[in-house]
Amino acid sequence: SQQGEEDPQALSIQEGENATMNCSYKTSINNLQWYRQNSGRGLVHLILIRSNEREKHSGRLRVTLDTSKKSSSLLITASRAADTASYFCATRTQGGSEKLVFGKGTKLTVNP
Amino acid sequence: NAGVTQTPKFRVLKTGQSMTLLCAQDMNHEYMYWYRQDPGMGLRLIHYSVGEGTTAKGEVPDGYNVSRLKKQNFLLGLESAAPSQTSVYFCASSYSPDRLYEQYFGPGTRLTVT
Repeated sequence: SQQGEEDPQALSIQEGENATMNCSYKTSINNLQWYRQNSGRGLVHLILIRSNEREKHSGRLRVTLDTSKKSSSLLITASRAADTASYFCATRTQGGSEKLVFGKGTKLTVNP
Repeated sequence: NAGVTQTPKFRVLKTGQSMTLLCAQDMNHEYMYWYRQDPGMGLRLIHYSVGEGTTAKGEVPDGYNVSRLKKQNFLLGLESAAPSQTSVYFCASSYSPDRLYEQYFGPGTRLTVT
């Protein structure tokens, strides 16, 4: 069963705007990860945030984590057409599970 | 490094036929995974392996078998293909626990069962 649920399911913005995607999950986690999938390709790891972290940055990406609300957000600033892709959150549950559980994804379209 | 590779990239099977999907990684990763991706369903874990000679069931294991005879290879078998197994299959691998399970994905195999 899916642990993470992304919101919105689809998002369309203009180049240069910021894009925000949200992820909610159900059980306590060890860490939460975001992945990008370009059309017809495999997933690529973007960023990982541990359960004891609240915010993390990587280039134009900013991830926040609120464990009290069991939610995370991914912000892409100054978006580019090349950011068009599907974005997935994945959670690793507490207890040392070697598995990740993926959400259904947000499809982002950045219009030039 | 080639990373994670998958063979074949595309395949069409008839109901009842069998096939094996091969995943290979050259990063010396301990952990390997097979997922399927269907429209609107995200990724669902089929089987996984935490080391050479080990395998374990994931969320949707029925109709599939796996083997990990060598550390670098993880095979996914369909003994008697069904139309419900039409999907895109992804293999992934990851480091041992101290790397927090960031996963590296292959390019996928698109399978159609008619």
